[in-house]
Amino acid sequence: AQSVAQPEDQVNVAEGNPLTVKCTYSVSGNPYLFWYVQYPNRGLQFLLKYITGDNLVKGSYGFEAEFNKSQTSFHLKKPSALVSDSALYFCAVRASGGSYIPTFGRGTSLIVHP
Amino acid sequence: NAGVTQTPKFQVLKTGQSMTLQCAQDMNHEYMSWYRQDPGMGLRLIHYSVGAGITDQGEVPNGYNVSRSTTEDFPLRLLSAAPSQTSVYFCASSYSSGGVYEQFFGPGTRLTVL
Repeated sequence: AQSVAQPEDQVNVAEGNPLTVKCTYSVSGNPYLFWYVQYPNRGLQFLLKYITGDNLVKGSYGFEAEFNKSQTSFHLKKPSALVSDSALYFCAVRASGGSYIPTFGRGTSLIVHP
Repeated sequence: NAGVTQTPKFQVLKTGQSMTLQCAQDMNHEYMSWYRQDPGMGLRLIHYSVGAGITDQGEVPNGYNVSRSTTEDFPLRLLSAAPSQTSVYFCASSYSSGGVYEQFFGPGTRLTVL
């Protein structure tokens, strides 16, 4: 079985400050990890993924995520938040070699204050 | 490419009515899925398909039917709508790139059942 936990329902950050959205996972075998973003009244958009290799993954819109195998975490980060980053963020995991269907977390609402 | 399209964008039904949510993709993706999104619940998988003529149940299939007669289309049928089916429904398509299945989401259908 695979699962994802996003421990924070909401993250508040001031514009210009660094942001972190947390994600931990559980999966049998090697994980494939994903972050998606959902803007209001829109579908989910792919941000970045970790498959293998470098633990620091860079994605769209200046976001990056760090894979930590020992802590089974895949936190999303950005050095300087923008008001336009305010959205709902989903972490997802699937096992390499397993079903193509990922398991999604419950989502974290990021609010960036001007 | 239009990507993944969903119709209608909004729908209001009365309890007991039936309807079909349409989903189409023009990327020749083999895999398609239906999710529902409810506050605090994240995305839950309803049904999925790994190719034309092949469908399977996800986490919350009760009250929904699907079929996949073509690669492009994956309609979701509500047989007898219930207020518990009030939700936002997302269709997604996916393809394998080296064993990694990145998902592409449609804009969603917001359904209210009275």
